[in-house]
Amino acid sequence: GESVGLHLPTLSVQEGDNSIINCAYSNSASDYFIWYKQESGKGPQFIIDIRSNMDKRQGQRVTVLLNKTVKHLSLQIAATQPGDSAVYFCAENMDTGRRALTFGSGTRLQVQP
Amino acid sequence: ETGVTQTPRHLVMGMTNKKSLKCEQHLGHNAMYWYKQSAKKPLELMFVYNFKEQTENNSVPSRFSPECPNSSHLFLHLHTLQPEDSALYLCASSPAAQGRSNQPQHFGDGTRLSIL
Repeated sequence: GESVGLHLPTLSVQEGDNSIINCAYSNSASDYFIWYKQESGKGPQFIIDIRSNMDKRQGQRVTVLLNKTVKHLSLQIAATQPGDSAVYFCAENMDTGRRALTFGSGTRLQVQP
Repeated sequence: ETGVTQTPRHLVMGMTNKKSLKCEQHLGHNAMYWYKQSAKKPLELMFVYNFKEQTENNSVPSRFSPECPNSSHLFLHLHTLQPEDSALYLCASSPAAQGRSNQPQHFGDGTRLSIL
């Protein structure tokens, strides 16, 4: 189900290391952001979201950081596991009542055992 | 179990065929979406439905015809498709937005469509 054929940037990490996946967005009016994980043959799976009134949010083994000044979003995965191998997408939405998301092109995370 | 179920998972059809993709969500959501994920582009929004009403058509060719009979079901009717329409078609749902609240969309696993 991932964007096979698209030239995705790839991040390769060793099992147990921390991973940082970055995303730049261009719309300064965007105020809601989501990270999704997409494994092969599956649809995107929600990981974590953040609103623009926050600059950090933590979940289980994941942290999202938002820097509105430079329009940058990052996903940090602690103690990366082989099951974390997937394509990761950031998505943004402007809070204008439009409920559609705009997706980035994704980053492939490869975890080496 | 994703809460959003799409059928069929795979579909091969000729350019003159007519087929339909089905999506069903069991999450009690009121907004549903169709996205296209192709090999050379990021995920693209096609249609948005909110409380069964179409609220967005992202310049999709008329050979794709959506239908939303109720908030739990969404269809995508296909006819006279082109080879470039081969892609993964993803359905998603979310609670209808209220005020300034945003909620994540939940996706199905998609229908892999191949046009011969």
